[in-house]
Amino acid sequence: GENVEQHPSTLSVQEGDSAVIKCTYSDSASNYFPWYKQELGKGPQLIIDIRSNVGEKKDQRIAVTLNKTAKHFSLHITETQPEDSAVYFCAASVSGYALNFGKGTSLLVTP
Amino acid sequence: NAGVTQTPKFRVLKTGQSMTLLCAQDMNHEYMYWYRQDPGMGLRLIHYSVGEGTTAKGEVPDGYNVSRLKKQNFLLGLESAAPSQTSVYFCASSKSTGQHGYTFGSGTRLTVV
Repeated sequence: GENVEQHPSTLSVQEGDSAVIKCTYSDSASNYFPWYKQELGKGPQLIIDIRSNVGEKKDQRIAVTLNKTAKHFSLHITETQPEDSAVYFCAASVSGYALNFGKGTSLLVTP
Repeated sequence: NAGVTQTPKFRVLKTGQSMTLLCAQDMNHEYMYWYRQDPGMGLRLIHYSVGEGTTAKGEVPDGYNVSRLKKQNFLLGLESAAPSQTSVYFCASSKSTGQHGYTFGSGTRLTVV
């Protein structure tokens, strides 16, 4: 089955700096790559996703890039703010459902 | 619009006891899922359903059973709870057409002593 690896497991940045989280996947047939943000005590929330026919997608301060040849995708957060502190999960899917998640990255943005 | 609602939010069980976790969604989603979240392990798929009356095994199905008798509800059962099932359980739902992200519930924190 699909195996998704996520790095780093923890990331600390200063407010205003950029943060980058990277994921690799094993199944070349995977075609859907969402990212989720989980705040303490809450369920994960979809923040951005990308499909295999697209190389990059932006939404305000967040962007995701996909390199299908290398089988990796990344989340970029610019101008980080304290409220960006959370756990971020990447995921991949062949079918469009039954997502396989990475183990998560705990992001801390310090003022 | 409530989205995905999980009950209960917290539960403590003794080893060997049984319980059912309820997930309800009001978005008319076809697909529903149960995941467990453990420290350092991310989210692992237990069971899922692609429609009313259907269920399928995920990555870690042992010790759990599920039922989807109504489209809006997805039940997760533990017949004989074990300490290894101490976890936070998340239910999620998604549309069936195309590729869509999940909508997650707020989770059930289960402790088995």
